[in-house]
Amino acid sequence: GNSVTQMEGPVTLSEEAFLTINCTYTATGYPSLFWYVQYPGEGLQLLLKATKADDKGSNKGFEATYRKETTSFHLEKGSVQVSDSAVYFCALSPGSQGNLIFGKGTKLSVKP
Amino acid sequence: GAVVSQHPSWVICKSGTSVKIECRSLDFQATTMFWYRQFPKQSLMLMATSNEGSKATYEQGVEKDKFLINHASLTLSTLTVTSAHPEDSSFYICSARFISGRSLDTDTQYFGPGTRLTVL
Repeated sequence: GNSVTQMEGPVTLSEEAFLTINCTYTATGYPSLFWYVQYPGEGLQLLLKATKADDKGSNKGFEATYRKETTSFHLEKGSVQVSDSAVYFCALSPGSQGNLIFGKGTKLSVKP
Repeated sequence: GAVVSQHPSWVICKSGTSVKIECRSLDFQATTMFWYRQFPKQSLMLMATSNEGSKATYEQGVEKDKFLINHASLTLSTLTVTSAHPEDSSFYICSARFISGRSLDTDTQYFGPGTRLTVL
């Protein structure tokens, strides 16, 4: 079946620290991969995506590369800010239906 | 970007009553809308997939007679929790998948802000 596993949180970092949130997946076929972010009190927003192997998604300084050989889509940012504090969800879309399968989410807190 | 709204944003009801939650795509037409449920500190679980003009497809374990979904137009889907009980208390989130006609990504779901349901 299809599933997403992401690192447990919460993650607490100081401002300007390097961020990695690990995400691995299990899927049949060739899924699209996503990172969504949920800021406090708001709905989920698409952060970045990748639709095929070796694609790199990037947005707002965040990056993730679709690694088929390791079935991973780790989220990285070189220098986090306090405003990056949120819950981050890794997700995959297995097919044309467009339904999403989410990881459990990782809460990130960035301290000044 | 695309905007999806939900109404109400929060609702408190008595056990045994029914609650309707609306999901609207405000500036685009959606082929498909999805309903999710999110428990505290847990992930979103897909409940059902709703296509305009047809019956919703429910995920395994979701009672279709309890969670009634109506997708009457390309911009509106409703979720009705019938005879709600305390165990139905949760955060319900909808999302919409774009159809065409704008420079939006057809592979992306756009999420509403969610509805917090508390059943007493």
